[in-house]
Amino acid sequence: DQQVKQNSPSLSVQEGRISILNCDYTNSMFDYFLWYKKYPAEGPTFLISISSIKDKNEDGRFTVFLNKSAKHLSLHIVPSQPGDSAVYFCAASYMYSGGGADGLTFGKGTHLIIQP
Amino acid sequence: GAGVSQSPSNKVTEKGKDVELRCDPISGHTALYWYRQSLGQGLEFLIYFQGNSAPDKSGLPSDRFSAERTGGSVSTLTIQRTQQEDSAVYLCASSLTQGGTGELFFGEGSRLTVL
Repeated sequence: DQQVKQNSPSLSVQEGRISILNCDYTNSMFDYFLWYKKYPAEGPTFLISISSIKDKNEDGRFTVFLNKSAKHLSLHIVPSQPGDSAVYFCAASYMYSGGGADGLTFGKGTHLIIQP
Repeated sequence: GAGVSQSPSNKVTEKGKDVELRCDPISGHTALYWYRQSLGQGLEFLIYFQGNSAPDKSGLPSDRFSAERTGGSVSTLTIQRTQQEDSAVYLCASSLTQGGTGELFFGEGSRLTVL
């Protein structure tokens, strides 16, 4: 049973436009969410995070939105650049709720392709 | 180096052989995690260490998998009697504290191919 779902295996966006990557989760205990970016042959690197007490967190071109009632979060990249082409993993954990000390639960990832 | 180091970066082995994968976390990071990514799959949690102890081993796929950590630093993931379905990239990560308190720092992974 997948607790974190990224339903789009790939996404193609034109350079300069907005990229929107989506993530859904089923476990209402999750209270901390992260996005990781992974280039081929490299380990994932942390991109941005959000706690459940917020509904938006912005860092430069990257913004993460959290809709707790829908158990949905999204990552917006604007404007998209060629270097953004990578696989993006959504991850969730229990940070504040005191349970689940097993690290992060990851989605399967979305391969973002930025076209020139 | 300053990052998480994993070795070997690539390992090809025959079915039935044992393999050992090593992870050297960032100095001072008390928490260490093993994940694996099979082809077309997301990152699957295997085990995590807080110091030298592993409170949660429930992610290990079978009793052929084991892991240890010594001196609160280097960790070894051992797969005995490898099977073809063990083929994957095994990723190690470390963080300052346990649990999902934020950023994990990943190594580049060890790609295991079982023939």
